[in-house]
Amino acid sequence: EAGVAQSPRYKIIEKRQSVAFWCNPISGHATLYWYQQILGQGPKLLIQFQNNGVVDDSQLPKDRFSAERLKGVDSTLKIQPAKLEDSAVYLCASSLENWDYEQYFGPGTRLTVT
Amino acid sequence: AQKVTQAQTEISVVEKEDVTLDCVYETRDTTYYLFWYKQPPSGELVFLIRRNSFDEQNEISGRYSWNFQKSTSSFNFTITASQVVDSAVYFCALLTASKLTFGTGTRLQVTL
Repeated sequence: EAGVAQSPRYKIIEKRQSVAFWCNPISGHATLYWYQQILGQGPKLLIQFQNNGVVDDSQLPKDRFSAERLKGVDSTLKIQPAKLEDSAVYLCASSLENWDYEQYFGPGTRLTVT
Repeated sequence: AQKVTQAQTEISVVEKEDVTLDCVYETRDTTYYLFWYKQPPSGELVFLIRRNSFDEQNEISGRYSWNFQKSTSSFNFTITASQVVDSAVYFCALLTASKLTFGTGTRLQVTL
């Protein structure tokens, strides 16, 4: 069974530029999550989708971050414009359906904002 | 509010030593799940174990064992006879109906 796929693996941009990350969850997984992991910290949930609807985006900085999952499968997370403090690893995870299932994580995208 | 505390920032041991990683959690929910994840240098989070709040039975899987005690809100993880390949950052996490909350992680360094 293929795992969660993410691209790109690494990205370096200058502040005020835009960037987008892509995630393809495990086939059949209805729930998709985006996490931000700043160096030395645990992952922090940014947004959770159930199929193509948003379940929780309370910690998403909506003035600069946006995410979509139009067909209930792939998802894109965008930052526009980026700030220095956005430097982090962005992890995508998916789970089968309900909240009490294990979340399977992708390899992450390491973003460096200079 | 829910919280996970991993007080040990970094632990260094020599191969074959036993090591215990501590995890203390806080939640008002009566139904919840606890997890341990391993994050090797490659960056991917690897699922190790899940326990629900109604099952306090300890679990052993090879060299790994977990001790869940609701009375002290702790879910500690022990690696027996550690190996160099165990070197990684280990995260404890708490899942309730609202969200998955991670601790800050414990970096384990196993040397020869």
